Amino acid sequence: GQQLNQSPQSMFIQEGEDVSMNCTSSSIFNTWLWYKQDPGEGPVLLIALYKAGELTSNGRLTAQFGITRKDSFLNISASIPSDVGIYFCAGQPRISNFGNEKLTFGTGTRLTIIP
Amino acid sequence: EAQVTQNPRYLITVTGKKLTVTCSQNMNHEYMSWYRQDPGLGLRQIYYSMNVEVTDKGDVPEGYKVSRKEKRNFPLILESPSPNQTSLYFCASSLGGPGRDGYTFGSGTRLTVV
Repeated sequence: GQQLNQSPQSMFIQEGEDVSMNCTSSSIFNTWLWYKQDPGEGPVLLIALYKAGELTSNGRLTAQFGITRKDSFLNISASIPSDVGIYFCAGQPRISNFGNEKLTFGTGTRLTIIP
Repeated sequence: EAQVTQNPRYLITVTGKKLTVTCSQNMNHEYMSWYRQDPGLGLRQIYYSMNVEVTDKGDVPEGYKVSRKEKRNFPLILESPSPNQTSLYFCASSLGGPGRDGYTFGSGTRLTVV
């Protein structure tokens, strides 16, 4: 299946720092999604991007749909303890009216906040 | 509360003993899917269903079966589990497709096959 390269694999930061992570693909996507997974839970959708160049915010989170349509970025400003978890990007190569919308996930970025 | 419910949350079984992981959603979603999560590999799709009686293989379907006899339920069946199926499994649902509406995930089922 298609591969999404997500980096970094893990981050260790101090509370209050800003965070940046990215996701790249070998092919073009029409949709980029960012999810967060808290320990012991399923992933939860944070931000959805549908257009190349689009910049969307959700509180302290900002995500961008890369111009080439092969990448996406997620930034978290002024991190707090509840930001700890695994962040996944997910890409959708096309949207159809008939379902069969394959969503490919990245390998995740594990965020840890050092006391 | 709108949710996807998986059972059981934890399961330890022996090689070859058939098992079923249940998944139910109460949001009238058309689209349902099963993923497995393994360290370093992210989430990989096992099977998905676009509607009742419509299912198709994902990226890693070998050793798994699914059925969608009614909209709300999408059980995952392991006919003869093997140790390489030890993993964390997630069921997910979407109203109009994950690329359009995103997925709502269950809380996961941690399966260990010994």
